[in-house]
Amino acid sequence: ETGVTQTPRHLVMGMTNKKSLKCEQHLGHNAMYWYKQSAKKPLELMFVYNFKEQTENNSVPSRFSPECPNSSHLFLHLHTLQPEDSALYLCASMGQLNTEAFFGQGTRLTVV
Amino acid sequence: GESVGLHLPTLSVQEGDNSIINCAYSNSASDYFIWYKQESGKGPQFIIDIRSNMDKRQGQRVTVLLNKTVKHLSLQIAATQPGDSAVYFCAERENYGQNFVFGPGTRLSVLP
Repeated sequence: ETGVTQTPRHLVMGMTNKKSLKCEQHLGHNAMYWYKQSAKKPLELMFVYNFKEQTENNSVPSRFSPECPNSSHLFLHLHTLQPEDSALYLCASMGQLNTEAFFGQGTRLTVV
Repeated sequence: GESVGLHLPTLSVQEGDNSIINCAYSNSASDYFIWYKQESGKGPQFIIDIRSNMDKRQGQRVTVLLNKTVKHLSLQIAATQPGDSAVYFCAERENYGQNFVFGPGTRLSVLP
């Protein structure tokens, strides 16, 4: 248990659906991240939030919409996804020293 | 951005032997490095880290070595056990920032 919790663990959605992924941490960390992990690819950074403000959007398509209502919670809203968006979506958080980023268990997303 | 890469995509070792997993990085401005372990169906788990002002750091059964001259990072696992079977990632941080670049990963298989 890393202190970073993601829900749901598994999600199957159609291309016309709208769904949201949730991440929460109670580690007192100020930075939260969304990463995408596809088969045979390195972890891809999607978004970074620092003290609720988005500091990085790594050219992510607009069908992925992040939301960070407070430093403990992070959402990823999904809309009109494509089959190639199927992947493991990982949330991570990091403290003010910018070290020891901790990951959640991920949401395995399948777009059908 | 600059990339982090791994020399060996797969590594098989006998139980009880020592394992060495390698990582090459190209960004000379990277100041901090982390090794993560990812088991099937789980998120990456922090193993050990090292700052660029160090060349060696030891943990429980693990040692990380950093050679800044050739931009090389390695993870040594002593007396490898079946539970060590996983994919191992190195990650680098640039200039005290909040973003990490991950390598593609090495799969470690422990043979009985």
